[in-house]
Amino acid sequence: DSGVTQTPKHLITATGQRVTLRCSPRSGDLSVYWYQQSLDQGLQFLIQYYNGEERAKGNILERFSAQQFPDLHSELNLSSLELGDSALYFCASSADGSRGTGELFFGEGSRLTVL
Amino acid sequence: QQPVQSPQAVILREGEDAVINCSSSKALYSVHWYRQKHGEAPVFLMILLKGGEQMRHEKISASFNEKKQQSSLYLTASQLSYSGTYFCGTGHRDNYGQNFVFGPGTRLSVLP
Repeated sequence: DSGVTQTPKHLITATGQRVTLRCSPRSGDLSVYWYQQSLDQGLQFLIQYYNGEERAKGNILERFSAQQFPDLHSELNLSSLELGDSALYFCASSADGSRGTGELFFGEGSRLTVL
Repeated sequence: QQPVQSPQAVILREGEDAVINCSSSKALYSVHWYRQKHGEAPVFLMILLKGGEQMRHEKISASFNEKKQQSSLYLTASQLSYSGTYFCGTGHRDNYGQNFVFGPGTRLSVLP
């Protein structure tokens, strides 16, 4: 158990819909990262938050947005969903906010299926 | 800038050795290695920091060549449990809060 909690574990929805994925980081970790992993593909970096503020942004679509709340949990919002958005979405947390000097702890992921 | 990993895939017999390489076009401050089994979350193996020593995790070790901006993961006397996809992740010193990116992965299959 990494200590990172993601909900829901599975989500099936239709094209054009909007979903919210939730992540609770490990106790004490200030950084939250979001990654998208399509079937048998690598981990595509979406966005990072550190202590409530956006710290870095990767290849995140404009239809996607995220935020980190004062209690440090984070939400990833995906809207106007397309078939290609079907993927496993991982959240990871770290005590470190920069330069990648801290280990990333991954949640079990939220598997999104868009029909 | 996503790091490059090689090879893309490796098939080994139990007890054989393997090397997985990771390189970046940007100066590296840190390199992480993770292993992911199918359908599971990536699991941390080790981290190498600029100026740090070679790290070990059981029979897996890694090195970090700062000048060449490369890291290598060495799997010695591989076990069936080593099967999975190995990702290197890189952190860069020139950007505070640089997005921490992963390479495309190397799929390792260890056969009995």
